[in-house]
Amino acid sequence: QLQLQESGPGLVKPSETLSLTCTVSGGSISSSTYYWGWIRQPPGKGLDWIGSIYYSGSTYYNPSLKSRVTMSVDTSKNHFSLKLSSVTAADTAMYYCARIFWSGYYQFDYWGQGTLVTVSS
Amino acid sequence: DIQMTQSPSSLSASVGDRVTITCRASQSISSYLNWYQQKPGKAPKLLIYAASSLQSGVPSRFSGSESGTDFTLTISSLQPEDFATYYCQQSYSSPYSFGQGTKLEIK
Repeated sequence: QLQLQESGPGLVKPSETLSLTCTVSGGSISSSTYYWGWIRQPPGKGLDWIGSIYYSGSTYYNPSLKSRVTMSVDTSKNHFSLKLSSVTAADTAMYYCARIFWSGYYQFDYWGQGTLVTVSS
Repeated sequence: DIQMTQSPSSLSASVGDRVTITCRASQSISSYLNWYQQKPGKAPKLLIYAASSLQSGVPSRFSGSESGTDFTLTISSLQPEDFATYYCQQSYSSPYSFGQGTKLEIK
């Protein structure tokens, strides 16, 4: 059974960089059928797509965050990562990683449990 | 960017009811529409993809349909475990936007 697990600091100071890793188990991150993505959810609010990455390293970012986002993948460790720079309180959210099944259509079919990141001094 | 608008924002219903949630796209997205269910404190779960295809393991009481830029999620007979928040999401073009959610509550 595929599992995704987010990890990283739960508290980040304003203006610093948020760094999260999603470790994939029960399947290979190098499969050609899947992308891998990050989605966030501010407390009590809806879902926002942050970006997606392919095992080759190709990335697609939400233009609203593009200037601050960097995603990377490490196939040897079967994980992918998110960096969000210059964070503010508005970046406080639950951050989810997800697998994206891509076969013409594109859907987030497996999700991690999420990790809450709070931006505060 | 494509805007996704769900209606209603909240809905009260009883076990056994037939429930319909609507999602409207701001432009044509063909059938590139997914539906997710989210329970409190949990990650979203994929229910329907490509507007009307049922994700493996999802009960058949869930169904999806489309008419132009309007998409519908129907639950044919509500079960206690269906009370949750439902989100639509377009996968037609980046940025891949979600609707604002519909909270389904027990009447």
